[in-house]
Amino acid sequence: GENVEQHPSTLSVQEGDSAVIKCTYSDSASNYFPWYKQELGKRPQLIIDIRSNVGEKKDQRIAVTLNKTAKHFSLHITETQPEDSAVYFCAAFSGGGADGLTFGKGTHLIIQP
Amino acid sequence: DSGVTQTPKHLITATGQRVTLRCSPRSGDLSVYWYQQSLDQGLQFLIQYYNGEERAKGNILERFSAQQFPDLHSELNLSSLELGDSALYFCASSVRSGRETQYFGPGTRLLVL
Repeated sequence: GENVEQHPSTLSVQEGDSAVIKCTYSDSASNYFPWYKQELGKRPQLIIDIRSNVGEKKDQRIAVTLNKTAKHFSLHITETQPEDSAVYFCAAFSGGGADGLTFGKGTHLIIQP
Repeated sequence: DSGVTQTPKHLITATGQRVTLRCSPRSGDLSVYWYQQSLDQGLQFLIQYYNGEERAKGNILERFSAQQFPDLHSELNLSSLELGDSALYFCASSVRSGRETQYFGPGTRLLVL
């Protein structure tokens, strides 16, 4: 089955700086890659997603890039703000009869004022 | 608010007992997914139902079962509970099956004593 690795596990950046979180996946059939933000005790909330026919997608301060050849994708957050502090999860969908998402272990993003 | 509802919010029970978690998907969504989130295992896909039929199975234990009713709400049944079953249980829904955006509910926190 699919395996998703996520790095780093913790990331501390100064407010206003950029943050980058990286994920790799194992199944070359995977074709959908969402990113979720989860605040303590709350539900995972979709922040951006990308499908395998696209290399990059941007939504205001958030962007995701996908390299299908290398099987990795990254989340970029620019001009970080205190409210960006949370745990971020990447995920991959490979289909093939298993329609659930395979998640990375999460990155705890800390924005230092 | 994602439009996905889950009840109860919290559940405390004893080992060996059986509980039922309930999920109502967003209006119009046909797919319901169940995920378990624990500190050691992270977010794991358990099972998916699509329009009343089981669609895919993930890492679901034999002690656990689920169903989706004609009104599309779903229930996750956990039996012979063990201490290690203590976790956050999320359901998510999507319009169809496949590489669709999944919206998560607020979760049910289960504590097995």
